[in-house]
Amino acid sequence: NAGVTQTPKFQVLKTGQSMTLQCAQDMNHEYMSWYRQDPGMGLRLIHYSVGAGITDQGEVPNGYNVSRSTTEDFPLRLLSAAPSQTSVYFCASNPDRTLQETQYFGPGTRLLVL
Amino acid sequence: KNQVEQSPQSLIILEGKNCTLQCNYTVSPFSNLRWYKQDTGRGPVSLTIMTFSENTKSNGRYTATLDADTKQSSLHITASQLSDSASYICVVSAGNQFYFGTGTSLTVIP
Repeated sequence: NAGVTQTPKFQVLKTGQSMTLQCAQDMNHEYMSWYRQDPGMGLRLIHYSVGAGITDQGEVPNGYNVSRSTTEDFPLRLLSAAPSQTSVYFCASNPDRTLQETQYFGPGTRLLVL
Repeated sequence: KNQVEQSPQSLIILEGKNCTLQCNYTVSPFSNLRWYKQDTGRGPVSLTIMTFSENTKSNGRYTATLDADTKQSSLHITASQLSDSASYICVVSAGNQFYFGTGTSLTVIP
């Protein structure tokens, strides 16, 4: 199993550009989530999904959009990038929505918005 | 407000020594508490998971404790190694979400 994969690893955007961060897992996990990690702050939840076709907002959803058309994929879209979205983004998955089992993280995407 | 606080913010210890990291939380309704290790430039990796009824859980040289009454947890690292240098994050789950502490940055020096 590849686990949780994320692409790209690094990205530089100009203010106002849009892009999609890709996330995929091959473990048939039900629950997937996106976090951002900024210096001096804990990981903050952007959006999460408890199954295909179901998504919900986390703590910091503004400026981001998600969809979950398949169990495997959970892309994160930046609609109009802003410098405040410069961060490291992590995708994670859990076997199910009870969140009792191990959470698996991807390697992260480093995003710089100029 | 659901919060997870960790102390100390950073810690430097000599190789071979023990250390203890602290976590206080105000998350409700509590489901479980985890400790993660995050190496620089990588995603977090789970070390331990404890439910409300568990008060200690070990994973090799890592031992986590949980006091659900006082809402405190600790992570004890025994006989530290250079590879233990990382950020250690306390995470509490409630409902459909995880709540993350800001982490303790541990540096182990020879």
